[in-house]
Amino acid sequence: KQEVTQIPAALSVPEGENLVLNCSFTDSAIYNLQWFRQDPGKGLTSLLLIQSSQREQTSGRLNASLDKSSGRSTLYIAASQPGDSATYLCAVRGNYGQNFVFGPGTRLSVLP
Amino acid sequence: GAVVSQHPSRVICKSGTSVKIECRSLDFQATTMFWYRQFPKKSLMLMATSNEGSKATYEQGVEKDKFLINHASLTLSTLTVTSAHPEDSSFYICSARPGTGGEKLFFGSGTQLSVL
Repeated sequence: KQEVTQIPAALSVPEGENLVLNCSFTDSAIYNLQWFRQDPGKGLTSLLLIQSSQREQTSGRLNASLDKSSGRSTLYIAASQPGDSATYLCAVRGNYGQNFVFGPGTRLSVLP
Repeated sequence: GAVVSQHPSRVICKSGTSVKIECRSLDFQATTMFWYRQFPKKSLMLMATSNEGSKATYEQGVEKDKFLINHASLTLSTLTVTSAHPEDSSFYICSARPGTGGEKLFFGSGTQLSVL
């Protein structure tokens, strides 16, 4: 059974810092991995999707990497802004089935 | 980007009543929709996978007679919480995957259900 963990559970940084969020999964037989952002009381917004054959994806100040063999993905946020404050979740889709398994999320606070 | 609309955003009901939550894909056809439940400061728990025109597939431990899912068209899935009780109070979120082979999941804005 796939299990997804995220470290740290919470993170508070001053504005302008570069930061890294970590995601680990136990079963490396994944189809793809997706990073999401969730604001309090809201749904999820897709940030980046990495296919199992890819090593990284970039969108603006965000860069997500994938090391399937070690069961890890990182989300790098450059030059953080207060508007980046949210919970970031990673989700893994296995090779079989359609479902994503979500991590517990990292709650990020960027202080002005 | 693809838009998924979920209504209502918030509902308060009395214990014993039923509540229907709608999830619509506005600009794409979704052959598959997913329903999740989220407790405060916790991650999403998949409740069921809904496929258009067929019965939903429920995750272990989810009562299918309590959480009725209907996916009658390629753009609409509904979740009905029947005979709601206070322990059903939670944040419910739907997601949809485009039927054109897209891999991304697109999420609704969620429904906060409070059962008195």
